[in-house]
Amino acid sequence: SQQGEEDPQALSIQEGENATMNCSYKTSINNLQWYRQNSGRGLVHLILIRSNEREKHSGRLRVTLDTSKKSSSLLITASRAADTASYFCASSDRGSTLGRLYFGRGTQLTVWP
Amino acid sequence: NAGVTQTPKFQVLKTGQSMTLQCAQDMNHNSMYWYRQDPGMGLRLIYYSASEGTTDKGEVPNGYNVSRLNKREFSLRLESAAPSQTSVYFCASNRAGYNEQFFGPGTRLTVL
Repeated sequence: SQQGEEDPQALSIQEGENATMNCSYKTSINNLQWYRQNSGRGLVHLILIRSNEREKHSGRLRVTLDTSKKSSSLLITASRAADTASYFCASSDRGSTLGRLYFGRGTQLTVWP
Repeated sequence: NAGVTQTPKFQVLKTGQSMTLQCAQDMNHNSMYWYRQDPGMGLRLIYYSASEGTTDKGEVPNGYNVSRLNKREFSLRLESAAPSQTSVYFCASNRAGYNEQFFGPGTRLTVL
């Protein structure tokens, strides 16, 4: 399987704290993406980082990519209760022109008010 | 602009019954995908269609068939449902050359 792995599987924090989730993948990639899924809903794209980028920011989100270790991390700063959701990383294989993604198993984030 | 829509939202089947899950997108996307999501397993690709008229197997295609009816619609058929196909099914789409995928709300299927 080419699925990635997220770590931790579950994370519980207080509002205002930072949340860090990690992702490892198995192949050479074009890019790596992070998605969010609220309970009972579909996935929503958060951010994409290309293989030649090392860090990217979007609002309270910060993503890093280390291609030598085949890993990425997602940092959510100043977490809010509304950030409670599952977060998935998804990798796009280098050489693939079909847009196919390989998803990890996800991190369940709970932010307590 | 509805994005990606899926019908039905919920379905209960008996073992051996058949059904078709419908998916449509109004964003003029070329590629469409069917995933299943099981607890602790993340999303696994069942089938995908890079463009109208083409379909390819993903990681877990056994027991499923698909039809790319036109550019907008991509259906998933279970010919003879099995309890192992109890899952949440998501349809997604994206534009050619863009990796970001847009997801539908999902269909929760239970096979008894």
